Amino acid sequence: AQRVTQPEKLLSVFKGAPVELKCNYSYSGSPELFWYVQYSRQRLQLLLRHISRESIKGFTADLNKGETSFHLKKPFAQEEDSAMYYCALKWGGSNYKLTFGKGTLLTVNP
Amino acid sequence: DAGVTQSPTHLIKTRGQQVTLRCSPKSGHDTVSWYQQALGQGPQFIFQYYEEEERQRGNFPDRFSGHQFPNYSSELNVNALLLGDSALYLCASSFRGGQLGEKLFFGSGTQLSVL
Repeated sequence: AQRVTQPEKLLSVFKGAPVELKCNYSYSGSPELFWYVQYSRQRLQLLLRHISRESIKGFTADLNKGETSFHLKKPFAQEEDSAMYYCALKWGGSNYKLTFGKGTLLTVNP
Repeated sequence: DAGVTQSPTHLIKTRGQQVTLRCSPKSGHDTVSWYQQALGQGPQFIFQYYEEEERQRGNFPDRFSGHQFPNYSSELNVNALLLGDSALYLCASSFRGGQLGEKLFFGSGTQLSVL
């Protein structure tokens, strides 16, 4: 079955420290992975997706098929990065589904 | 562009009642998906509508049904409400055929409380 696991419910770092939010997935097909972010009092929004290989707000994520992981990384965390982060797996072809992890609440302390 | 709009923002119902939630997709989008987000959980896929048909469905009972209109807006209906249906219901829209695949845009959600 398709599954997305975010092992950390909470993650707290200091400003300027590196941050890594973990995501592991289970899927027998070719995965398409996303990171979504929800800032306080804002709607859920796409942060980045592995197919576009982009860096958004300093965040990057590399798909590791061998380890079935898609960890989100940023070398120097900022206070404005504090938010809820969700990893999501897209599957099912053109009539697709998104399976989300339970999310990690990142707090960046001054 | 107001983006994805959902109504109402909050709703209180009692067990056994029926509820209808509404969603207007972002301008230019033709696909609408619905998600249920329980407290402390990630969004869970309910179903997806494209060309006025249900194209994909998650693990939700038949009490959950939907509709998409010719203007691409959508409704989510839940019958015989249970206490466990209390959650934030999110609508997401996208455009099929976008470059690099579809990009989902979410609404702010409807908070449903079942008493």
